[in-house]
Amino acid sequence: AQTVTQSQPEMSVQEAETVTLSCTYDTSESDYYLFWYKQPPSRQMILVIRQEAYKQQNATENRFSVNFQKAAKSFSLKISDSQLGDAAMYFCAYRSGTGNQFYFGTGTSLTVIP
Amino acid sequence: DTGVSQNPRHKITKRGQNVTFRCDPISEHNRLYWYRQTLGQGPEFLTYFQNEAQLEKSRLLSDRFSAERPKGSFSTLEIQRTEQGDSAMYLCASSPGGLWLFFGSGTQLSVL
Repeated sequence: AQTVTQSQPEMSVQEAETVTLSCTYDTSESDYYLFWYKQPPSRQMILVIRQEAYKQQNATENRFSVNFQKAAKSFSLKISDSQLGDAAMYFCAYRSGTGNQFYFGTGTSLTVIP
Repeated sequence: DTGVSQNPRHKITKRGQNVTFRCDPISEHNRLYWYRQTLGQGPEFLTYFQNEAQLEKSRLLSDRFSAERPKGSFSTLEIQRTEQGDSAMYLCASSPGGLWLFFGSGTQLSVL
C-alpha cells in the first residue's frame, strides 16, 4: 500500500496570513494523482485541490496553491489570506494512475486565529 | 444533484447486533467507495464499486462486513455481529470515473 505522511498534527495561523501544510508520500510509480481534502467540523470532506503528477505546473485554486516536488515526493498546500472558514482538518491523499484506491494521510488540524 | 447522501447520520447499537448503512451517490457517478475513519486518523479504504460490480475489498475487512450496490445505484454496507472496535465514522464517496471523490456526511457508529 502507498504511504502518505502528514507530519504536522496541528497548525495555527493568524487570520489574513499565509500557512503551509506539509505532505510527503511514498511511491514507485510515475503516474499518479495527489489531492488535498478539507474536513470542517460538520465532517463532510470536500476537495480543495488536485494535482496530476505528469504536470509540472503547480495547481492553484483561488487562495489555495500547492508546491509539488516530484523528486522529493512532497506535496504541500499553501493557504493565502487565511479566513476563519478555513479552520478544519486537512487531509493529503494519493491515487495511483492505474489503481482505484485513494490513500489518505492522518491529517493536519488547522486553527485560524482571529 | 444533491450530493452524496448517507443514512442514518448516527447509529448506536449493542455489541453483537447487525447494522446496515445506506449511501445514495451522485446519480451520474459510476464509482462508489466506502471508507472508515476513526478519531485522529485519515479515512481507511474498505471497498469500491464500479457500477454494480464490487471490484476491490480491503484485506483488513473482516468477513462480518458486506457491501452491495444493486443496479449500480445506491449502496448498503452491513456489519454483522458488531464489536466495539467497529465504532467509527463510515464514509461513502462517489466518483466520476475515479478522478476525485465526493464524500457524504458519514454515518457515526457507536457500539456499546
